[in-house]
Amino acid sequence: DQQVKQNSPSLSVQEGRISILNCDYTNSMFDYFLWYKKYPAEGPTFLISISSIKDKNEDGRFTVFLNKSAKHLSLHIVPSQPGDSAVYFCAATYGNNRLAFGKGNQVVVIP
Amino acid sequence: DAGVIQSPRHEVTEMGQEVTLRCKPISGHDYLFWYRQTMMRGLELLIYFNNNVPIDDSGMPEDRFSAKMPNASFSTLKIQPSEPRDSAVYFCASSLTTPNEQFFGPGTRLTVL
Repeated sequence: DQQVKQNSPSLSVQEGRISILNCDYTNSMFDYFLWYKKYPAEGPTFLISISSIKDKNEDGRFTVFLNKSAKHLSLHIVPSQPGDSAVYFCAATYGNNRLAFGKGNQVVVIP
Repeated sequence: DAGVIQSPRHEVTEMGQEVTLRCKPISGHDYLFWYRQTMMRGLELLIYFNNNVPIDDSGMPEDRFSAKMPNASFSTLKIQPSEPRDSAVYFCASSLTTPNEQFFGPGTRLTVL
């Protein structure tokens, strides 16, 4: 069963606008959430994370929001740049060292 | 640092053959993870090691799959015998004592004919 779900598999956005990626999870035990970015023919690279004790974490153009009651998190990229075109994976863990990944969202930033 | 190194990058083999995938983690990292990525199941954890010891292999699909980590700088994932449904991209990742932020290798694309 998919404990971390990413719907809307692809997103196209104009350069300079905001990209919003959503992620839902089912396991209430998850206490740490991460976003990874993946380019073709490369492995995923860590982007940003958030602990369950917070509801927001910001790093430059990237902000992750966590809504624990809704079991939902989102990644905001603003402003979007062409180099942000990639697949974005949401992941979650609860201290057992296992990361559960979503299936990913393809983002295309149009110059 | 060169990052996580995986070899080969591509492997094409015939059903029934043995396949060995190799991984060199980032020096000093205590954790090593093997993942498989398919269209149907996405990215799923197969097994992970801590200080060269296998900790959780519950994701290994069946006995045809085995993984070893003989030392801190090398790990293998072996499939014997291979089957067409094993075709996927296999990633190796490593991390420091906090296993959450994992560094991934470029992956091995396996095709079993």
